[in-house]
Amino acid sequence: DQQVKQNSPSLSVQEGRISILNCDYTNSMFDYFLWYKKYPAEGPTFLISISSIKDKNEDGRFTVFLNKSAKHLSLHIVPSQPGDSAVYFCAASGSGTYKYIFGTGTRLKVLA
Amino acid sequence: DTGVSQDPRHKITKRGQNVTFRCDPISEHNRLYWYRQTLGQGPEFLTYFQNEAQLEKSRLLSDRFSAERPKGSFSTLEIQRTEQGDSAMYLCACPTSGGVDTQYFGPGTRLTVL
Repeated sequence: DQQVKQNSPSLSVQEGRISILNCDYTNSMFDYFLWYKKYPAEGPTFLISISSIKDKNEDGRFTVFLNKSAKHLSLHIVPSQPGDSAVYFCAASGSGTYKYIFGTGTRLKVLA
Repeated sequence: DTGVSQDPRHKITKRGQNVTFRCDPISEHNRLYWYRQTLGQGPEFLTYFQNEAQLEKSRLLSDRFSAERPKGSFSTLEIQRTEQGDSAMYLCACPTSGGVDTQYFGPGTRLTVL
């Protein structure tokens, strides 16, 4: 049972354009969400997070949007840069548990 | 630098052997997580420590797996009688001190079981 889903395994975007990565979840108890970036042979690197009391959080070129009614979040990267090429994971956590549930990842390729 | 180191970075072993991995947070983190990541998947939660207490454990962690955090600082993950299905990247993560707002991951230990 995949509680956190990233339905697009890959995405290609031109440099300078917007990258939109999507994530859906099924557990309504989730109340905290994170996005990570991962390069090959490295551990995931934290990017940005959002609590369920918000619907948007922005940090530089990265913005995360949360739609609780749709159980959907998205990560926007504007403008996209070639260095953003990596695998992006969303993760979710809920009250009553310490663990984070990760999606399967989306591989982003930013074309120069 | 996330402040979390893991050793070894790579481990190749034969099926049936025991292996042990170590995770060292540089500064004192009272919370510590272990995850496993296989190809094409996201990290899967294995276990969670608060100080030396193991507070949560995944059903993925069979009897062959054991984790410890004896003094609430470094942690070890041992796999006994390894199987080929244990081949994966084993990741250690520590939240920022004082909360669970973010998790900083170590570089991981890649295990290959032949």
